[in-house]
Amino acid sequence: KAGVTQTPRYLIKTRGQQVTLSCSPISGHRSVSWYQQTPGQGLQFLFEYFSETQRNKGNFPGRFSGRQFSNSRSEMNVSTLELGDSALYLCASSPGRYQETQYFGPGTRLLVL
Amino acid sequence: SQQGEEDPQALSIQEGENATMNCSYKTSINNLQWYRQNSGRGLVHLILIRSNEREKHSGRLRVTLDTSKKSSSLLITASRAADTASYFCATAVMDSSYKLIFGSGTRLLVRP
Repeated sequence: KAGVTQTPRYLIKTRGQQVTLSCSPISGHRSVSWYQQTPGQGLQFLFEYFSETQRNKGNFPGRFSGRQFSNSRSEMNVSTLELGDSALYLCASSPGRYQETQYFGPGTRLLVL
Repeated sequence: SQQGEEDPQALSIQEGENATMNCSYKTSINNLQWYRQNSGRGLVHLILIRSNEREKHSGRLRVTLDTSKKSSSLLITASRAADTASYFCATAVMDSSYKLIFGSGTRLLVRP
């Protein structure tokens, strides 16, 4: 099976813009989680979707949002970008309703200037 | 906020030596997992240990879990240069859904 894919891999934006990142899970996986990784804060949970429903959300402002489509593909959106949003955004998928092992994509590296 | 704290933050060893990393966490867990990350890329799952297990092996990896102390350790035996990476513990907390809370990570350098 193909692994988790994320697009784009690299992105440069300016403050105030918005960005949409995409994640395609492993075929058959219904749960998709998003994480933000920065040198200062480490790996932080953003949100998790299962069957198009957001089941859990981390402690991030409302500028961070996401959705999941019927084919389990997921997108996350960050509006009104700030310099501090520069990070590696990781997507992970899992097969079941209560996922255990998560399978990570390569990430999207976002730089906000 | 992070659930787990890892120790040491960085570790440098010679090829062939063993590497031990420790992880402490704060709340009750369903399971604890260890992941590896190479150079800021995606994470690779290494091993999962459930809360009712005390020790688990996978190849050169050995993981222990002490729920009374809320701590875990990852031992990599006979290390290789290819083991150079960052290692993260992640605790699985069952609440309304399920999420992984990652520790701060240990950067391992294996010198040839």
